[in-house]
Amino acid sequence: QVQLQESGPGLVKPSETLSLSCTVSGGSISSNYWSWIRQPPGKGLEWIGYIYSDGTTNSNPSLKSRVTISVDTSKNQFFLKLSSVTAADTAIYYCAKYGDNAWVQYWGQGTLVTVSS
Amino acid sequence: DIVMTQSPDSLAVSLGERATINCKSSQSVFRSSTNNNCLAWYQQKTGQPPKLLIKWASTRESGVPDRFTGSGSGTEFTLTISSLQAEDVAVYYCQQYDISPLTFGQGTKLEIK
Repeated sequence: QVQLQESGPGLVKPSETLSLSCTVSGGSISSNYWSWIRQPPGKGLEWIGYIYSDGTTNSNPSLKSRVTISVDTSKNQFFLKLSSVTAADTAIYYCAKYGDNAWVQYWGQGTLVTVSS
Repeated sequence: DIVMTQSPDSLAVSLGERATINCKSSQSVFRSSTNNNCLAWYQQKTGQPPKLLIKWASTRESGVPDRFTGSGSGTEFTLTISSLQAEDVAVYYCQQYDISPLTFGQGTKLEIK
């Protein structure tokens, strides 16, 4: 059973860069699609983007210019950077693994990131 | 982007009764290459991440009770819980995975009447 665990600062200042890591256990990060999804408190789900284990990425056009997703297969980790954050980026950030197609098979527990000075 | 619209926003059903949640997409999510609808349903309980219930609009995920049924095609889909149990209290989301960006419905909150 694949398990995912997000880690990173819970508080980020406006205009700075949000940086999160996701550690994958119980399976290899290779030959799979990995994703970031966020959920503002009390609201719905927003897809941020994905990365394939070879480094291929795609992200939501609404965030594309600010999003960088990367992977370190040697550490079984993948990463999210979101630049120039504002209060609107305050959310629970989930890392996730796709199934055989782009449904989400496994989710991390999520980490709350608050953007505030 | 494909817009996913769920109805109702909230729903209260008595224990043992049927619950029905609808999901409409702004364009068809039927993928002719696989002859399948690219539609998933998730259940999110308070304080937890979402849990996959159904993929391909009607394929129940392993371990999901058979009281959960997905149906529909093209642009209109339904999640039915045949006999509501107390543990089914949650927010339910539909998601299309036919075209990027992946998009979710706004969620339907299901409560016990």
